[in-house]
Amino acid sequence: EPEVTQTPSHQVTQMGQEVILRCVPISNHLYFYWYRQILGQKVEFLVSFYNNEISEKSEIFDDQFSVERPDGSNFTLKIRSTKLEDSAMYFCASSYQTLARSDFGPGTRLTVT
Amino acid sequence: AQKVTQAQTEISVVEKEDVTLDCVYETRDTTYYLFWYKQPPSGELVFLIRRNSFDEQNEISGRYSWNFQKSTSSFNFTITASQVVDSAVYFCALSERQGGSEKLVFGKGTKLTVNP
Repeated sequence: EPEVTQTPSHQVTQMGQEVILRCVPISNHLYFYWYRQILGQKVEFLVSFYNNEISEKSEIFDDQFSVERPDGSNFTLKIRSTKLEDSAMYFCASSYQTLARSDFGPGTRLTVT
Repeated sequence: AQKVTQAQTEISVVEKEDVTLDCVYETRDTTYYLFWYKQPPSGELVFLIRRNSFDEQNEISGRYSWNFQKSTSSFNFTITASQVVDSAVYFCALSERQGGSEKLVFGKGTKLTVNP
């Protein structure tokens, strides 16, 4: 069964550094998402992406965040200048249509020191 | 605004017991979808079920069953004859479509521990 993949599985970075989290969604999916989960808390929506543009973004998704689909397969989340509070698990998800099942990747654990 | 409430923060049962995880949601939309995801200790999010707002039939899948009651805005999840491998955090989520975009709104999760 096709899966969403994410790299790296764990990223450690220093405060103020830029990080890029990578995702490969399921190949025939059209809708892409990033969510994050601070340790021990609920999963929170960051951004949705369709037809090469952002469909919706949450209050968390400020100017420090950006997303890109640089080619036909990858979907990236960039944090320009990381803060301690960006430490979380970041999940990529994709779906083939709206309101369909979202398939989640295994997550990237980001640790900002 | 959408809201999903999972009032049970943690539940602990002994293997073979039945357990029900509660989920109550709020939405103003008439068309919406409800989901359950499982997050085992390894951390990934595993899809369990999707239910649309027009389908109130209960669903059973092996030891898992779901009870959707629109009148009480609840979508509860029951595990029958629980097993140690069921130990995980379970999230209920609500999806709405607004203006062509959508997102999942998650509850805070219920941590289930099944003891041998």
